[in-house]
Amino acid sequence: KAGVTQTPRYLIKTRGQQVTLSCSPISGHRSVSWYQQTPGQGLQFLFEYFSETQRNKGNFPGRFSGRQFSNSRSEMNVSTLELGDSALYLCASSLSAYEQYFGPGTRLTVT
Amino acid sequence: GDSVTQMEGPVTLSEEAFLTINCTYTATGYPSLFWYVQYPGEGLQLLLKATKADDKGSNKGFEATYRKETTSFHLEKGSVQVSDSAVYFCALEIQGAQKLVFGQGTRLTINP
Repeated sequence: KAGVTQTPRYLIKTRGQQVTLSCSPISGHRSVSWYQQTPGQGLQFLFEYFSETQRNKGNFPGRFSGRQFSNSRSEMNVSTLELGDSALYLCASSLSAYEQYFGPGTRLTVT
Repeated sequence: GDSVTQMEGPVTLSEEAFLTINCTYTATGYPSLFWYVQYPGEGLQLLLKATKADDKGSNKGFEATYRKETTSFHLEKGSVQVSDSAVYFCALEIQGAQKLVFGQGTRLTINP
């Protein structure tokens, strides 16, 4: 069974630009969560989607948004990029509670 | 709010040494507890879990017991290998929330 895939794996953007990251969950998984990982703040929860509905949201500004499609694939968008948005963005999918499977992440660098 | 505290790293051990990485938590509800491992350049892999008090999670020689009285979930392994070198994260999830709260991570290096 294929794991969680994330595209692209690496991305370089300039301050003020916007970016869209994509996540394809494990087949059959309907819940997709996003996390930001930085050396300073560690791993922080961004949001979680289930059946195209956002069920949970972390403490991030409105520049961070996401959506989920009917096939459970998810995208997250960051607008007006800041230097501090440089991070590894991880996506996780789950079939049920207690089991989240993570993708390899997208490394975003903002210059 | 809910939080997880891990022992400060980095931790460096020799091969075949005994490993303990401490983890304590604060939670308002009844959390499930997890250990995840991250190898260089990769995402997180679930190492083990425990969903209720006194449960013991185990995998690949690693063990952790959910201690409600001490709000702890310490990771142990009797004999570490070089291949265990990675960053280890303790995490909790409040039942039904589908949201993981992570500790700051502990970098483990095993020398041959």
